[in-house]
Amino acid sequence: AQKVTQAQTEISVVEKEDVTLDCVYETRDTTYYLFWYKQPPSGELVFLIRRNSFDEQNEISGRYSWNFQKSTSSFNFTITASQVVDSAVYFCALSRAGNNRKLIWGLGTSLAVNP
Amino acid sequence: KAGVTQTPRYLIKTRGQQVTLSCSPISGHRSVSWYQQTPGQGLQFLFEYFSETQRNKGNFPGRFSGRQFSNSRSEMNVSTLELGDSALYLCASSLAEGDNEKLFFGSGTQLSVL
Repeated sequence: AQKVTQAQTEISVVEKEDVTLDCVYETRDTTYYLFWYKQPPSGELVFLIRRNSFDEQNEISGRYSWNFQKSTSSFNFTITASQVVDSAVYFCALSRAGNNRKLIWGLGTSLAVNP
Repeated sequence: KAGVTQTPRYLIKTRGQQVTLSCSPISGHRSVSWYQQTPGQGLQFLFEYFSETQRNKGNFPGRFSGRQFSNSRSEMNVSTLELGDSALYLCASSLAEGDNEKLFFGSGTQLSVL
């Protein structure tokens, strides 16, 4: 069975601090996809990144970076120099290969960035 | 380009009633997926429609159903509502041209069952 665990329920930081959100996944598939989505108070989930299981390269996009490690089944997300606008709930998700819109989600990490 | 539109934004129903939620995907998107979000269970996949056909289904009872129209708009229906059906129902659309592509979500319909 597939499973995604986000052990951190809530994180609170002060603006400009770096913060890492953890994501650990379980799957027996050799081909799979991992995602991060952001859910601001408006409720609309916003796509941040997609990574397939064969691509372990870390990725950086502005202040955001992702560390994918198959050896530990983790796909962690780091925000550098956090800002108040980063306050949201962040979800990690997993899907099987194929034309598959069925995502398995973690329970999310609520991030509060305080001024 | 307009985003994914869900109506209504809020809905209050009583147990035993039925409800229909609507989702208009981004223009050109052919796949529509539905998710239920609750504080306890998180986000759970309900079903996906593509070209008016249900392509994938989650583990929900038959009281939850959906359909997709020829213009890709989708509706989901919940019959005989139960208190546990109170949730945020999110719709997501995608082009469905590639493998596990990203989803574009609407703001959801917040359903409260009293």
